Amino acid sequence: DSGVTQTPKHLITATGQRVTLRCSPRSGDLSVYWYQQSLDQGLQFLIQYYNGEERAKGNILERFSAQQFPDLHSELNLSSLELGDSALYFCASSVEAGRSVADTQYFGPGTRLTVL
Amino acid sequence: AQTVTQSQPEMSVQEAETVTLSCTYDTSENNYYLFWYKQPPSRQMILVIRQEAYKQQNATENRFSVNFQKAAKSFSLKISDSQLGDTAMYFCAFISNSGNTPLVFGKGTRLSVIA
Repeated sequence: DSGVTQTPKHLITATGQRVTLRCSPRSGDLSVYWYQQSLDQGLQFLIQYYNGEERAKGNILERFSAQQFPDLHSELNLSSLELGDSALYFCASSVEAGRSVADTQYFGPGTRLTVL
Repeated sequence: AQTVTQSQPEMSVQEAETVTLSCTYDTSENNYYLFWYKQPPSRQMILVIRQEAYKQQNATENRFSVNFQKAAKSFSLKISDSQLGDTAMYFCAFISNSGNTPLVFGKGTRLSVIA
């Protein structure tokens, strides 16, 4: 158990809908990262938050957005869903005390999203 | 931009034997970290081992060890005494120490341990 929690574990929805994925980082971790893993593919970085502020952006679609709340949990919002959005969405967290420090990222169990 | 290459899409090994998974990376940075993550059939991403680029000594974690060759930009993972539970996808990953870049993953190597 990495200490990172994600809800829900599974989500099945229809095209055009909107969903929200939730992540709680490990105790003491300030950074949260979101990744997308499509079938038989590696992990694609979506976005990173550090202590409530957006820190880095990857290949995140405009239909997707995220935020990190004062209690440090994060939510990833996916809207106008398409079949191709079906994937495993991971959240990871790290301590990252400062901009010059790279810390180990610990991953949550993932949320499997199926768009029908 | 940093890239990570895992040239072996699939590998297999007999139980109790040793196997080495390859990883090369490309970067102009001097300070960085390298990781191996394991993804078993449960799809959980599990940290296996980590190496700081400024450390010459190769990292080890029980049956897992790395061969870090900084000049060659190579970072291979050796699994000794392979166990059935080692069956998984293994991802090599890189992150710069600048703190402003994301974790970059290779495409993974699917390892099957055969009884």
